[in-house]
Amino acid sequence: AQSVTQLDSQVPVFEEAPVELRCNYSSSVSVYLFWYVQYPNQGLQLLLKYLSGSTLVKGINGFEAEFNKSQTSFHLRKPSVHISDTAEYFCAVSDRTSTDKLIFGTGTRLQVFP
Amino acid sequence: EAGVAQSPRYKIIEKRQSVAFWCNPISGHATLYWYQQILGQGPKLLIQFQNNGVVDDSQLPKDRFSAERLKGVDSTLKIQPAKLEDSAVYLCASSSLQGGEQYFGPGTRLTVT
Repeated sequence: AQSVTQLDSQVPVFEEAPVELRCNYSSSVSVYLFWYVQYPNQGLQLLLKYLSGSTLVKGINGFEAEFNKSQTSFHLRKPSVHISDTAEYFCAVSDRTSTDKLIFGTGTRLQVFP
Repeated sequence: EAGVAQSPRYKIIEKRQSVAFWCNPISGHATLYWYQQILGQGPKLLIQFQNNGVVDDSQLPKDRFSAERLKGVDSTLKIQPAKLEDSAVYLCASSSLQGGEQYFGPGTRLTVT
């Protein structure tokens, strides 16, 4: 079974500052990793995913994440945030034999201040 | 293309009442998912359909929850009778094939009083 831990429930940051949202996972098998964003009163939208290959994954809206197998982490980063990035961010994992079953973390609320 | 549609967007009921949610996936998407998102938690898969067949309902509380996708297109999720702990956002998602990217609807926020 897999599990996901998002270490920060809230991350406040000023506009144009860099941000990192942390995600650690636990699994006995190889996994796929995902980051989703949820804007207020909306469904989840896929930001990026790691399936294989390069451990640095680039996504939409200037976000990127790095897969670190030894540390079982998949932290999300953005070098300069905008007010519009204010949202809830979810890290998720699925095992490679059952890619449908996403296991989500509890989410990190990113609040960007002017 | 139109996204995943869900209705109603909000619903308030009293405990022991019944409620139903509707989802219309993206046209042509064979796989449909229902998730429950309790406040402060990530979404949890309740049930997955492939066309009109159930692929996974291992986390669906079958004593009170039911779901159907009779014609392999839209789907309904029902709770009967509702409990206070069922208060959550119910998200529907669809994908064009098993294991493909899931596209989420806006959700239905259920409050049970």
